[in-house]
Amino acid sequence: GAVVSQHPSWVICKSGTSVKIECRSLDFQATTMFWYRQFPKQSLMLMATSNEGSKATYEQGVEKDKFLINHASLTLSTLTVTSAHPEDSSFYICSVRPGTGSYEQYFGPGTRLTVT
Amino acid sequence: KQEVTQIPAALSVPEGENLVLNCSFTDSAIYNLQWFRQDPGKGLTSLLLIQSSQREQTSGRLNASLDKSSGRSTLYIAASQPGDSATYLCAPYTGGFKTIFGAGTRLFVKA
Repeated sequence: GAVVSQHPSWVICKSGTSVKIECRSLDFQATTMFWYRQFPKQSLMLMATSNEGSKATYEQGVEKDKFLINHASLTLSTLTVTSAHPEDSSFYICSVRPGTGSYEQYFGPGTRLTVT
Repeated sequence: KQEVTQIPAALSVPEGENLVLNCSFTDSAIYNLQWFRQDPGKGLTSLLLIQSSQREQTSGRLNASLDKSSGRSTLYIAASQPGDSATYLCAPYTGGFKTIFGAGTRLFVKA
């Protein structure tokens, strides 16, 4: 199956600063990647769909100016949380789904963000 | 709009028991259904993928069944072990980009 990595695995930042999270598809080219957010004891919520070479598609209620997504290559998507606040503290997970074959979905290991 | 329900929400069992986790979904026009495992503070690990044309899939002590017409899937775990303790999520895929997850079943297997 596809291998997806994320960096960093955890990060602590001060309120008002920005933090960037990377998601890499290691063994296939992903034209589309997905960013999820998960609060404690809750299920995953899709934040946005990252499209290589074009603008990301954001889910309703997700601020696109706060959560900047860049998908500059077929193997890398980045999520930047701008002007982070404590309520942005969450677990962020990226995912890929190859567009051929079984349509199986693969997830990265996640990034724990804590904003102090 | 797809809605996914997982029952039970939480389960605590002694080691060695056989378990059944249930997943129901409202839109039966699915391409496939995946069962995932999530350990605390970790990403999701794919356990089993059932295509819409299949009735079941097996991997080791895990068996997943799919009844697409009734919108149901079950995950059967045989001879549970403490290492099986995790949250189990089901995700029916109806195409496009958005995957709708159930809230999960939190499983605790006591040694």
